[in-house]
This record gives sequence, C-alpha cells and structure tokens, in this order.
Amino acid sequence: GDSVTQMEGPVTLSEEAFLTINCTYTATGYPSLFWYVQYPGEGLQLLLKATKADDKGSNKGFEATYRKETTSFHLEKGSVQVSDSAVYFCALMFSGGYNKLIFGAGTRLAVHP
Amino acid sequence: NAGVMQNPRHLVRRRGQEARLRCSPMKGHSHVYWYRQLPEEGLKFMVYLQKENIIDESGMPKERFSAEFPKEGPSILRIQQVVRGDSAAYFCASSPLGDSGNTIYFGEGSWLTVV
Repeated sequence: GDSVTQMEGPVTLSEEAFLTINCTYTATGYPSLFWYVQYPGEGLQLLLKATKADDKGSNKGFEATYRKETTSFHLEKGSVQVSDSAVYFCALMFSGGYNKLIFGAGTRLAVHP
Repeated sequence: NAGVMQNPRHLVRRRGQEARLRCSPMKGHSHVYWYRQLPEEGLKFMVYLQKENIIDESGMPKERFSAEFPKEGPSILRIQQVVRGDSAAYFCASSPLGDSGNTIYFGEGSWLTVV
C-alpha cells in the first residue's frame, strides 16, 4: 500500500544553517505530495505541495521538488530561523481517487540562535 | 471565513467514560476526515465521511470508535469506554469535494487525555 518514509529527528541546527529533511514515498501511480508543519500545541498547516513529477513547491523560503525517478520529495531551506522550529510532516494523496492523506512519522526541527 | 472548527480543544476523561469530539467543516465543505496523532507519532487516517455517509473507515479501530456526519450539525467522533491508549490528538479536516487534488484544511485538533 501507499506509504511515506521520513528521516528521523530531531534535527538540530543553528540559525541561518541549511536545512534538508528527506522524504521518500511508495505509491501506485503518481500521487500529489505535500509538506505540512505543526507548531507546538497547534494543528497542521499546509506548507507546500506538488502535484506532478518535476514540480517544485515553495513557500516561506522552503521548497521541495517532486522526483519521480527517486520517489522523493525532500524539504529544503537555505537559511533557517528560530521560528522554523516545529514538526514537519511529509504526506501523499492516496491513489484511490479521493482526498485521503498518508503521512510520514514527522521530523522535529529545533533551531538555536 | 471560519476555518475547520473543533471542540473541545482539550478533553480529560477517566477510563471507561465516553468521549465525544465535534468538528464543523469549513463553510461549503461537505467532506470530512478524521485523523489521530499518538504522542510522538505521525497522523493516522481514521475515517472519511460525506453528509450522512461513511465512505472509508479503514483506519477506525474495530471496537468502541464510531463517527457520523449528519445532514445537519457537526461531525462527531465518539469513543466509548476510553482507555489510556486512546490519549492522543484527534484532528478533523474538510474539503469541498472528495476528489483527490482538492486541498484539505485541518482544524486545530482535540487533545484527549485519559486518566
């Protein structure tokens, strides 16, 4: 079945460091891919998405490229801030034809000044 | 526009009691999804409902859990005879249509603690 695998956290970085959070997926066909962010005590917010191969999703300095050949959707940011500290979830849209998201386990990011 | 509204935000129940979690989708949305997030884990799909219909309940535990989305009023996730393992954050999401590709909007979650 469909599944998402993320790199384990926590990821600890200094402010202005480069961020990469790896995400790979297994799915039938070519699902839409998403990154969600969850700040402490809050719900999920959509960070970015890509709907087809080679699409690049971007938002707030974060970006991720849909790589069909490696079935990956790695999240990157060139210079992180303390305010980026949160849990990041990679997800894919279920290939069964309706809006069912399959999430990875999440990666906690801690950014220190 | 109000977003997806969930209540209560925090709920404490003793073992054996019932928990009812409510979700009002965004205006104009007729498709509702429930997810559960256990401590330090990702979100797991539980159930997908349209008005008066359960479309996919493949993620619902076989016993004690039920969900409904009536013609009028919010969607309800009901957990009977709660146990400590039910302690989790329960997130509701909604979309205007059920077709994949529509953006899903999440509520802020209901945190259930079973003592």
